[in-house]
Amino acid sequence: GENVEQHPSTLSVQEGDSAVIKCTYSDSASNYFPWYKQELGKGPQLIIDIRSNVGEKKDQRIAVTLNKTAKHFSLHITETQPEDSAVYFCAASSNYQLIWGAGTKLIIKP
Amino acid sequence: KAGVTQTPRYLIKTRGQQVTLSCSPISGHRSVSWYQQTPGQGLQFLFEYFSETQRNKGNFPGRFSGRQFSNSRSEMNVSTLELGDSALYLCASSLRSDLSYEQYFGPGTRLTVT
Repeated sequence: GENVEQHPSTLSVQEGDSAVIKCTYSDSASNYFPWYKQELGKGPQLIIDIRSNVGEKKDQRIAVTLNKTAKHFSLHITETQPEDSAVYFCAASSNYQLIWGAGTKLIIKP
Repeated sequence: KAGVTQTPRYLIKTRGQQVTLSCSPISGHRSVSWYQQTPGQGLQFLFEYFSETQRNKGNFPGRFSGRQFSNSRSEMNVSTLELGDSALYLCASSLRSDLSYEQYFGPGTRLTVT
């Protein structure tokens, strides 16, 4: 079945620096790739998504890139701020469901 | 508008017991999905309901079941609880049964099995 691997599991960056989280997937039929942010005590919240017919998408400080040939996609956060501290999940569509990565805990150091 | 609500927020049960969790979706949303979240495992898909019909099911044993009512509210039941069922159970609602539609998550129900 589909498998989504996410790295790193923990990422610590200085405030103002950039953060990059990477995911790989196995199902070549996957065509939808969302990223969710989960803050402590809350459910995940969609922050950006990309479809397989697009290579890159940006929304202010957040961007996602997709390489279909290599089957990987990445989340880029620029000019990180304290409120970016959270757990980030990637997911890939497969067989009418989302397969999720294990999550990345992003720590923003002041 | 009001978000997704889940009740109860916390639950402690003993092995062998059964439990029912409830989810009220955002008004107008007809799709409700359930996930199990454990540390280091991400979110594992349990099942999805749309207009009272189960549309999709993950790889969980038959002890895990669910249903959806005509008002789109959903319940999830776990029978014969095991220690490994301890987890955060998340419910998500969506306007349609289509993965490309944003899923809105509730805060979850933290289940502890002793």
